[in-house]
Amino acid sequence: DAKTTQPNSMESNEEEPVHLPCNHSTISGTDYIHWYRQLPSQGPEYVIHGLTSNVNNRMASLAIAEDRKSSTLILHRATLRDAAVYYCILSGQGAQKLVFGQGTRLTINP
Amino acid sequence: DTGVSQDPRHKITKRGQNVTFRCDPISEHNRLYWYRQTLGQGPEFLTYFQNEAQLEKSRLLSDRFSAERPKGSFSTLEIQRTEQGDSAMYLCASSPLAGGPDEQYFGPGTRLTVT
Repeated sequence: DAKTTQPNSMESNEEEPVHLPCNHSTISGTDYIHWYRQLPSQGPEYVIHGLTSNVNNRMASLAIAEDRKSSTLILHRATLRDAAVYYCILSGQGAQKLVFGQGTRLTINP
Repeated sequence: DTGVSQDPRHKITKRGQNVTFRCDPISEHNRLYWYRQTLGQGPEFLTYFQNEAQLEKSRLLSDRFSAERPKGSFSTLEIQRTEQGDSAMYLCASSPLAGGPDEQYFGPGTRLTVT
């Protein structure tokens, strides 16, 4: 399983943008980059995924490096509800188990 | 659509007892996954069904663990002769049968405590 590397923790302030980095230097050409987050006492929640191009949805944006060896999840305006553990995961197309790492624990200060 | 549901939400059992958990996926989702999460760690994959067929099992799924999805709808995960090391959050997820990458929808989990 391709591996990802994320900082253990990050801190930001409410209403400011947050950039969560992920390194995946061993990514293969067919691997998608997924981001999930897990709020306290809840199951993980899908955030966004991408292959090569940058992606935007109502929750976040995903910026993918040109060589695809790294990516950044961008929360444009953090709220207290965005405090969670964020997981960056590589997965092939179709049905695939998700291989979670330790993730990044994001703290949002009011 | 009420999302993925799991029952019970919490279970306390004594070592050596058997336990069974239930997962009801989002209706019409063909794929169903089980994961286990211990404190401070990310979830770990246990097994995966497509309809009623169990297509993949992790090495973590010892002989004491068995999962079923008899009619391709709800699924059960049974742990026999529980051990203290089985204490964890057991998460279920489902996803639709689609051509693109798999977006999994997780339930709230069943927290198991083995005393």
